[in-house]
Amino acid sequence: DAGVIQSPRHEVTEMGQEVTLRCKPISGHDYLFWYRQTMMRGLELLIYFNNNVPIDDSGMPEDRFSAKMPNASFSTLKIQPSEPRDSAVYFCASSLGRRGEGEQYFGPGTRLTVT
Amino acid sequence: GDSVTQMEGPVTLSEEAFLTINCTYTATGYPSLFWYVQYPGEGLQLLLKATKADDKGSNKGFEATYRKETTSFHLEKGSVQVSDSAVYFCALVASYNQGGKLIFGQGTELSVKP
Repeated sequence: DAGVIQSPRHEVTEMGQEVTLRCKPISGHDYLFWYRQTMMRGLELLIYFNNNVPIDDSGMPEDRFSAKMPNASFSTLKIQPSEPRDSAVYFCASSLGRRGEGEQYFGPGTRLTVT
Repeated sequence: GDSVTQMEGPVTLSEEAFLTINCTYTATGYPSLFWYVQYPGEGLQLLLKATKADDKGSNKGFEATYRKETTSFHLEKGSVQVSDSAVYFCALVASYNQGGKLIFGQGTELSVKP
């Protein structure tokens, strides 16, 4: 398996622009997680899905952030409008339900820079 | 609420030295415990896990034992290599949690010098 795939790997954008990050989980995994990592705040869980349904979005920082999972093989995290403080590495991870609880497979991340 | 506390880094060791990274947790019930590792420029990878008290997780020469009496899950390795330089995260999944939402510690950076 190719593992969790994220695109783009790097994104540089100007403040106010819309940013869309993409994730393809491992085939057959039924949980998908979005994280943000910064030096100041460490690793933060933003939102996670089970069978394409959002379960917990309490980590989403504000209304500028939204996430969707239209099918089992694709998810997006959108920031609109983007701000410099959104600069971070965003990771997507997937796992296999109860049997694989806690065993999350992370993608390589998207490094976002907002100028 | 549930939480994980790790020793602060960075930890700097010489090659072949003994490694300990301390991790303690607070949780309701009987959580499962994990160590993840993040190499530079990469995502996190599961290193080892333990799902009940007194279990020992091991992988790639690393070990950690689930100690319920001290609520600890310290990571150890007998002889580190330069290639072990990375950030190590301790984490838990609460027993009541649906879907395996991980609670991470803040991470401990390890630097191994030749």
